[in-house]
Amino acid sequence: DVKVTQSSRYLVKRTGEKVFLECVQDMDHENMFWYRQDPGLGLRLIYFSYDVKMKEKGDIPEGYSVSREKKERFSLILESASTNQTSMYLCASSLEAGLAAYEQYFGPGTRLTVT
Amino acid sequence: AQTVTQSQPEMSVQEAETVTLSCTYDTSESDYYLFWYKQPPSRQMILVIRQEAYKQQNATENRFSVNFQKAAKSFSLKISDSQLGDAAMYFCAYGDRDDKIIFGKGTRLHILP
Repeated sequence: DVKVTQSSRYLVKRTGEKVFLECVQDMDHENMFWYRQDPGLGLRLIYFSYDVKMKEKGDIPEGYSVSREKKERFSLILESASTNQTSMYLCASSLEAGLAAYEQYFGPGTRLTVT
Repeated sequence: AQTVTQSQPEMSVQEAETVTLSCTYDTSESDYYLFWYKQPPSRQMILVIRQEAYKQQNATENRFSVNFQKAAKSFSLKISDSQLGDAAMYFCAYGDRDDKIIFGKGTRLHILP
């Protein structure tokens, strides 16, 4: 079974802190994604990566950056956390060959609260 | 730009009954994929069913089936014999071969015992 894990289920940070959210997948997937999930807004794509050291902006990249130094690991970085970044963050991965052609496998999510 | 619309934010169904969740989308592409994902409370999101647009036959997975109407750009999910474990947030999603997946805002499904 594909497993996507995220470093924390719950995280509380202060405004202005630098925050790292880690995601690891164990199925040698090429593509990895970071989403933000808010009530009434569904899932919104922050960044995605289709290869090591490659990244593409999604729909809401402002205030975020990402890092993919190894194929299995995709990190989301909040350079200076703000209260409007309080949200559920979901990581996902999928096979290669057309980003949307294959099933995305999701991690359990990290609920981040910025105070 | 492609959009996905789920017009029912919340729905309820009696256990063992059938329920249909609606989804419409907008695209100018002819080759694309449609998905229904399920997110149970406090659990990971999983794929329920996938439909390739070039296939006319509606996809089916056990109690879950879709009604895919390509001309109408409609992709509804039917759950038969609803069970308590079906209670979840359901997301409709669209993807084409060279683009990212776009999710709808979700429908929260309650199962009444």
